[in-house]
Amino acid sequence: GQQLNQSPQSMFIQEGEDVSMNCTSSSIFNTWLWYKQDPGEGPVLLIALYKAGELTSNGRLTAQFGITRKDSFLNISASIPSDVGIYFCAGRLSNFGNEKLTFGTGTRLTIIP
Amino acid sequence: KAGVTQTPRYLIKTRGQQVTLSCSPISGHRSVSWYQQTPGQGLQFLFEYFSETQRNKGNFPGRFSGRQFSNSRSEMNVSTLELGDSALYLCASSDRRRNTGELFFGEGSRLTVL
Repeated sequence: GQQLNQSPQSMFIQEGEDVSMNCTSSSIFNTWLWYKQDPGEGPVLLIALYKAGELTSNGRLTAQFGITRKDSFLNISASIPSDVGIYFCAGRLSNFGNEKLTFGTGTRLTIIP
Repeated sequence: KAGVTQTPRYLIKTRGQQVTLSCSPISGHRSVSWYQQTPGQGLQFLFEYFSETQRNKGNFPGRFSGRQFSNSRSEMNVSTLELGDSALYLCASSDRRRNTGELFFGEGSRLTVL
């Protein structure tokens, strides 16, 4: 099945560092979403983006909808231990009548003590 | 507001058996989607139901089926289980009327096929 290209695949950082990850697609999306998944849990929605060029923040998290509509970026500032987990981007092709999301391959974030 | 509830959380089956998984969406959400998550393939879309009708379907064999009831609760069924069906099956609900594309996931049902 189709997956979006997400990088990096994994990150090992120290507490307090900033984190950047991105997601690219060969297709144009009209909606980009970022999710976080903890072990044994379902993905939790972090940020949703609806317009090309849009920059949206949720606390220490900031995400951007790329102007080509084929990519998106997520930044986490001043990382803390509870940021550990797997981050997924997801894109939606259609604006209406289509709830199907295509997910990225995931970025696993680990904080080194 | 209660979240998405999936049952059972864990189950073990053997090859050839069939399994039924259940999902109760967030109150007021009428769209339910199902995803399969495996280490190799990631999160893959199975199907979406809205108003008791399948609206969208992913690239899975016919052994994977689902349905939605009038109260928006949904079930998915996998028949003639194969080893490769071992996965975390995630249900997500959304408020289709808002048309935001935002899906809210349950904790998943982890299926192991022996």
